[in-house]
Amino acid sequence: AQKITQTQPGMFVQEKEAVTLDCTYDTSDQSYGLFWYKQPSSGEMIFLIYQGSYDEQNATEGRYSLNFQKARKSANLVISASQLGDSAMYFCAMREGRDNYGQNFVFGPGTRLSVLP
Amino acid sequence: GAGVSQSPSNKVTEKGKDVELRCDPISGHTALYWYRQSLGQGLEFLIYFQGNSAPDKSGLPSDRFSAERTGGSVSTLTIQRTQQEDSAVYLCASSRQWDTQYFGPGTRLTVL
Repeated sequence: AQKITQTQPGMFVQEKEAVTLDCTYDTSDQSYGLFWYKQPSSGEMIFLIYQGSYDEQNATEGRYSLNFQKARKSANLVISASQLGDSAMYFCAMREGRDNYGQNFVFGPGTRLSVLP
Repeated sequence: GAGVSQSPSNKVTEKGKDVELRCDPISGHTALYWYRQSLGQGLEFLIYFQGNSAPDKSGLPSDRFSAERTGGSVSTLTIQRTQQEDSAVYLCASSRQWDTQYFGPGTRLTVL
């Protein structure tokens, strides 16, 4: 089963509008972390935002916020006031509990966001 | 530098040749990851190193792929007898244990 699901392969948004990129996850661990990365056409992977499973407040970083709904196992990324430079692939990722050793960092398939002028 | 570095940035090789890709992680990061990304696709996990422990090799696609990490720092990913399907961008990331991964710029491998 997919541990990270991103149901939107592609999204369009008008410049200056807000956009929500969906991410749902599957884990039985109590302690885990959720991450969003941006990958522009240049190919670099840029860390955007982190949410810990025990964090009570939704994470925010500038124009990025993470809408964390633990009971629904969703961690949607909200980008406010979209800019042309936001056009990129966006990956949701999860790091599972510290009780597990080994590679425990999984990425979703990504959503391609296109910001329209 | 402060970030993860990878070399070479681009590598073109002939089918059947061996290639070595290098990753220099951020100083002090104990965890190091290798991923492969084919054109327009997501990230495919290859291998994970954590400190001095045995690496998690569960993502390596075949025995032609191997990786080592010397002295808990620099890592080398080796692909033997390259095939055309090995063409991809190979990304390296490092982190403190259990923390955010920071990625290098990647190595674009083209096998002719």
